[in-house]
Order: sequence, then structure tokens, then C-alpha cells
Amino acid sequence: DVKVTQSSRYLVKRTGEKVFLECVQDMDHENMFWYRQDPGLGLRLIYFSYDVKMKEKGDIPEGYSVSREKKERFSLILESASTNQTSMYLCASSLFHIGQGNGYTFGSGTRLTVV
Amino acid sequence: QQQVKQSPQSLIVQKGGISIINCAYENTAFDYFPWYQQFPGKGPALLIAIRPDVSEKKEGRFTISFNKSAKQFSLHIMDSQPGDSATYFCGGYGGSQGNLIFGKGTKLSVKP
Repeated sequence: DVKVTQSSRYLVKRTGEKVFLECVQDMDHENMFWYRQDPGLGLRLIYFSYDVKMKEKGDIPEGYSVSREKKERFSLILESASTNQTSMYLCASSLFHIGQGNGYTFGSGTRLTVV
Repeated sequence: QQQVKQSPQSLIVQKGGISIINCAYENTAFDYFPWYQQFPGKGPALLIAIRPDVSEKKEGRFTISFNKSAKQFSLHIMDSQPGDSATYFCGGYGGSQGNLIFGKGTKLSVKP
């Protein structure tokens, strides 16, 4: 019963390519998030969205954009991939307010390599 | 910036021992403190969480201890097992901050 699905587990892209990472959740969550995870740096928030067609910058938005046309789908776009964007990308979703018993639900991640 | 500082960065524990991971937060408006567990190749998953109105919460071998005055909380894993080997993230949430703020993670290795 997968609840947050990321379309690819592994991707290899060339420098300068436009890259789309897709995320779909089936829990009717309002919030969706994109993180990247790098060794020693933890989870860094790239962008998030509280509603359809709404987006907010996280801590490291440079070089990325997002799209949320439908409530269940949140896409991360690398406009022109660079080698320093090689990373594990994690999508998450949550209810508008989180608390005891519910929190963020993460996908399994997409490991992106830019060559 | 509202931070959650987590330590240690890595931890090696013998099977049967106690694993302890510590976190400290700055934002006194935080009212929800979760711990997430991440196995290799998987996304983080909610393990256990606490609100600041209690000092301790226990679920099986996992216990959160919370010290509101010190703005610190910790995860204790009793009788640690090799299957507990994972990366653990603490977090803080609440107040005007709409997002969960994560610590940088602790990689736990439990040796048989």
C-alpha cells in the first residue's frame, strides 16, 4: 500500500538537460514537499506547496522549480541540470497541520546522477 | 533561523546496548517533536513523536525523553538490535513555522 510514489528510483541525466521528478500521493494531503538528501547535510527543503497551484521556496530553491496542477501531484523541475545537483531527492506529503499520530509521509526517493 | 541541532552524527553500539541520540531546539513555539527512521534505499518513516506537555513517551524499545526547560529531547533505543541500524532524524514543528524542521541525522550502526 504505497502512499507516496516517486516515478523513478534511479535517473542518470546529462549536464544541461531539463529534468522532471514526479511525485504522487493518494492520501488527499494538502501539503507536499521536495527535499534533497546528501551525506552529512541531512534533509534540505527545496520547495513546498500547501495547495494546488501554490508553491513556496524552501532553503535551497536555486536551480529548481516546481509545479502542482493537481492536489495529488507535485513535480520538481531542474531547469538545467548540473553535476552539483547529483543527489537523493525525497518527496513528502502531510495534512495541513501535523501532530501526534500523523506527520510527513515520504516516498522512497529518486537517486539522480548528473554526468 | 529556527534550527534543530542533532548529535552525534554517527553512533556505533553493540547488540543489546542502549543507543542515545540527542536533539536541541531553539523555537519555543514548537509543540510537536517527531523522530524519523530511515533505512538504506528508503524514505524516512515516522517512528515516535512527543508533545511538550509530557516528559517521556515510550513505544516498545523506543523512548523519547523531553526536557522543556533545556529545550532538549532525546531518543533512547533499549536492547539495540542490528535491525535498528538506520539513520535517525529528529524534528520540531509548530508556531509560525509551517514546516517540520529536521536535524541533520544520526547514522546508527548496531554491531552483532
